[in-house]
Amino acid sequence: EPEVTQTPSHQVTQMGQEVILRCVPISNHLYFYWYRQILGQKVEFLVSFYNNEISEKSEIFDDQFSVERPDGSNFTLKIRSTKLEDSAMYFCASGTGINEQFFGPGTRLTVL
Amino acid sequence: GQSLEQPSEVTAVEGAIVQINCTYQTSGFYGLSWYQQHDGGAPTFLSYNGLDGLEETGRFSSFLSRSDSYGYLLLQELQMKDSASYFCAVRDRAGGFKTIFGAGTRLFVKA
Repeated sequence: EPEVTQTPSHQVTQMGQEVILRCVPISNHLYFYWYRQILGQKVEFLVSFYNNEISEKSEIFDDQFSVERPDGSNFTLKIRSTKLEDSAMYFCASGTGINEQFFGPGTRLTVL
Repeated sequence: GQSLEQPSEVTAVEGAIVQINCTYQTSGFYGLSWYQQHDGGAPTFLSYNGLDGLEETGRFSSFLSRSDSYGYLLLQELQMKDSASYFCAVRDRAGGFKTIFGAGTRLFVKA
């Protein structure tokens, strides 16, 4: 069964550094998303992406965040200058429509 | 703004039926979804309701009443493996198609 994959599974970085989190959505999916989940808290929407552009973003998704679909398979989230409070699990999700979303296993980001 | 409310915790015994409620407030409601998340795992899609009524998928059913801004997830024949967190999530079309998750309900299934 096809699944969303994410790399790396765990990323440790120093405050102020840039990180790129990578996702390979399911191949025939058209809608892509990034979420984050701080340990023990709820899943928070960051951004949705459709037709090669951002369709919606949350207040969390400020200028230090960006997303790209550099080729036909990858979907990346870049955090330009990481802060301590960016430490969280980041989930990528994809879907064929707007109702059902398939989540990847997540990347645990630790900012020191 | 948008808000969702669901109980923080529910405990039930194996074989029983449990209902997890969700009330929501949003300016542009499009649909209500339910996700399951085991500790350390990713959310897994369970069901979606775009229209009023009951949707059934195996042991899980989900209900929506748009006039009451209310929905629930019904889990039947509970198994130990159902112990997890359950999130309701609203698809909000007010400014696009943003998905807002509730804080989650932690379900404990006891033998």
